[in-house]
Amino acid sequence: EPEVTQTPSHQVTQMGQEVILRCVPISNHLYFYWYRQILGQKVEFLVSFYNNEISEKSEIFDDQFSVERPDGSNFTLKIRSTKLEDSAMYFCASSGGGGEQETQYFGPGTRLLVL
Amino acid sequence: QKEVEQNSGPLSVPEGAIASLNCTYSDRVSQSFFWYRQYSGKSPELIMSIYSNGDKEDGRFTAQLNKASQYVSLLIRDSQPSDSATYLCAAINNAGNMLTFGGGTRLMVKP
Repeated sequence: EPEVTQTPSHQVTQMGQEVILRCVPISNHLYFYWYRQILGQKVEFLVSFYNNEISEKSEIFDDQFSVERPDGSNFTLKIRSTKLEDSAMYFCASSGGGGEQETQYFGPGTRLLVL
Repeated sequence: QKEVEQNSGPLSVPEGAIASLNCTYSDRVSQSFFWYRQYSGKSPELIMSIYSNGDKEDGRFTAQLNKASQYVSLLIRDSQPSDSATYLCAAINNAGNMLTFGGGTRLMVKP
């Protein structure tokens, strides 16, 4: 069964450093997303991406964040200068296969710890 | 006002019983709803989607949607200890395809 994959599973970084989180969405999907979940809190939407551009973003997704689809398979989230409060689980999701355009399937997540 | 609300629980049920999980939503979210299961430290795993008023059944799971009351629920029949997890209700935002999640209800199924 096709699934969303994410790398790395864990990332530890120093405050102020740049991190890139990587995702491979399900191959025939057209819509890609990033969400985050701070420990003990709800899952929060960051950004959606379609047709090589951002289609929607939340207030969390400020100038420190960027997304890119560098090739036909990868989808990345870059945090330019990490802050302590960026520590969270980051989930990539994808949707858009056939008639279930809205159903989003999540990857296993990347646990980011900013020290 | 929060857009999607759930009781945080924990909801404790004995093995074999029916677990009933509830969710309410504001009128700013759209009419498409999803139930995800999340084990501790893991990612949300889709259980069911529901778009129309009424019931939708899939195996031991039944989702119920009542748009007039802005209420969606998930019933789990014959609950098993492996069903112990946090259940997340989510809705698609009217403005696009952003999922808005509730805080989740923790379910504990006791053997």
